[in-house]
Amino acid sequence: EVQLVESGGGLVQPGGSLRLSCAASGFTFSSYWMSWVRQAPGKGLEWVANIKQDGSEKYYVDSVKGRFTISRDNAKNSLYLQMNSLRAEDTAVYYCASSPTFDPWGQGTLVTVSS
Amino acid sequence: SYELTQPSSVSVSPGQTARITCSGDVLAKKYARWFQQKPGQAPVLVIYKDSERPSGIPERFSGSSSGTTVTLTISGAQVEDEADYYCYSAADNKGVFGGGTKLTVL
Repeated sequence: EVQLVESGGGLVQPGGSLRLSCAASGFTFSSYWMSWVRQAPGKGLEWVANIKQDGSEKYYVDSVKGRFTISRDNAKNSLYLQMNSLRAEDTAVYYCASSPTFDPWGQGTLVTVSS
Repeated sequence: SYELTQPSSVSVSPGQTARITCSGDVLAKKYARWFQQKPGQAPVLVIYKDSERPSGIPERFSGSSSGTTVTLTISGAQVEDEADYYCYSAADNKGVFGGGTKLTVL
């Protein structure tokens, strides 16, 4: 059974940093692109970033470029999102998903940026 | 950057057919996916490659494509289909979601 488990969310002050993790199991993690998607409270889904199987290509939505870094460790079947210079508008539930399938999703991890 | 446009809401009575559209230039060249999201839950894939249905998704869910518009059709909508629906596509290795459509079945 494919399973994705996000962790690392929490409350952080504006300008702070946080590192999210996504533990994958039940599929060949190293064979898939992986993505982060977020959803602000009461809002829609927003694609945030993705990374190629070997980590050689990474892409970001413009609003996080230069602040967020996506990475992966295929030996640990894990995906990461390093978030720096956090802003209030980054407050959201963050989901990881394999690309391009996006099936299934994890339960997400909540990031709250507030003073 | 690419954009996908959906109606904010669609309302049908139980048993009727619900149609949710998603428009964007990228859809003329790339496949779309549709996700269902119920309150407090993670999204669930209901359609991929414009019209393919994953295993476990009821047959009443179908998808179609024409030019720059894709359509999610729920034939004989049930009360349990009430949810938010999002289209998604990708181009130049970047993803984009539509704004979401709230489907009301009552």
